[in-house]
Amino acid sequence: GQNIDQPTEMTATEGAIVQINCTYQTSGFNGLFWYQQHAGEAPTFLSYNVLDGLEEKGRFSSFLSRSKGYSYLLLKELQMKDSASYLCAVDFNTNAGKSTFGDGTTLTVKP
Amino acid sequence: SAVISQKPSRDICQRGTSLTIQCQVDSQVTMMFWYRQQPGQSLTLIATANQGSEATYESGFVIDKFPISRPNLTFSTLTVSNMSPEDSSIYLCSVIFGQEEGYEQYFGPGTRLTVT
Repeated sequence: GQNIDQPTEMTATEGAIVQINCTYQTSGFNGLFWYQQHAGEAPTFLSYNVLDGLEEKGRFSSFLSRSKGYSYLLLKELQMKDSASYLCAVDFNTNAGKSTFGDGTTLTVKP
Repeated sequence: SAVISQKPSRDICQRGTSLTIQCQVDSQVTMMFWYRQQPGQSLTLIATANQGSEATYESGFVIDKFPISRPNLTFSTLTVSNMSPEDSSIYLCSVIFGQEEGYEQYFGPGTRLTVT
């Protein structure tokens, strides 16, 4: 079966750094997606990690350790608009897109 | 990147009826995917829609309930048949670009369905 765990909620302060963790146990693994989803909107692609290590994209970075079944999304210089749900999804099949999603982490950024 | 549109954006339907959701992409893609997001929950993959072949359904989803068409590389439809209140959900289409070493996935804006 597929199992993906993320914290349900997190709160952080504007300007700070926050790390959202994701652990997974899946029948296969090709890569791991992170998405941002604002309330009432569709998910927005943030990153896709295949290899171990940290990938940086501006204020957002994503880390993967395949041997540990672990990933995190790092958000720097938090802004109020970063308040959203962050979804971790594992691409577990050779046909990319067959992803299993975690339940998401709702991040609230406070002034 | 891709621009994906869906119609309708939302609908309220009566139990027992069917609704067809359209998904249009501004570029040609091999695979399109249909997801469901029920209230307060994460996304669940319904099926993969490939052009020129039958859709591939995930466990718990069947063609009779969710028939899918994929007439060309930029368009797909998902029908929710014989609806019940449990089908109330947001339905999203999605596409993938890239290679194994670096995929990007994009979602349409979603269709919010309420079944009464």
